[in-house]
Amino acid sequence: GAGVSQTPSNKVTEKGKYVELRCDPISGHTALYWYRQSLGQGPEFLIYFQGTGAADDSGLPNDRFFAVRPEGSVSTLKIQRTERGDSAVYLCASSPTENYGYTFGSGTRLTVV
Amino acid sequence: GQNIDQPTEMTATEGAIVQINCTYQTSGFNGLFWYQQHAGEAPTFLSYNVLDGLEEKGRFSSFLSRSKGYSYLLLKELQMKDSASYLCAVNRGSTLGRLYFGRGTQLTVWP
Repeated sequence: GAGVSQTPSNKVTEKGKYVELRCDPISGHTALYWYRQSLGQGPEFLIYFQGTGAADDSGLPNDRFFAVRPEGSVSTLKIQRTERGDSAVYLCASSPTENYGYTFGSGTRLTVV
Repeated sequence: GQNIDQPTEMTATEGAIVQINCTYQTSGFNGLFWYQQHAGEAPTFLSYNVLDGLEEKGRFSSFLSRSKGYSYLLLKELQMKDSASYLCAVNRGSTLGRLYFGRGTQLTVWP
């Protein structure tokens, strides 16, 4: 597509539930990034994919968070046993290669109640 | 960790010029980015500096001094639509494409 698409745009879930957030990057972009942003803060890195593999997952806060990109295009961020502290906007970005300006998606606003 | 500092808030009037500063202390450096983010929207790319000096792009310019760990974003002929958060972000190089973001500077442009 023309831009980075993220679905859903909003997700409200109960504490303890499992959620999946989807990112569809710009066609042909090999680099894909997940960030999360809390109110009044800059985006915080979670994970970076180069193709199908996670090149850097050091930003994932704990083992409840996992992400995949099985065919090197669409990526899914998975959060198990959600906690209220997971509430944030989850941003996906893609770029043609690493070390190049990103294009961000509009984000998924996750609210855990 | 990485230390990227920028003012929390700034205000200016329409037609004026404003300079948003960013200082950074990172282990490794491979470029500095500025992004604009309107409330409730995704960040959009404004500029990229990897060498010292000034990069000009229309009403927006960005400056970098690597020796001082300092950058600024200069916005000229301010318009109401420039009211947004401006994010400074550093690429360390050793961490591939990962960016380290500052907290953002919330700019309000008054008529």
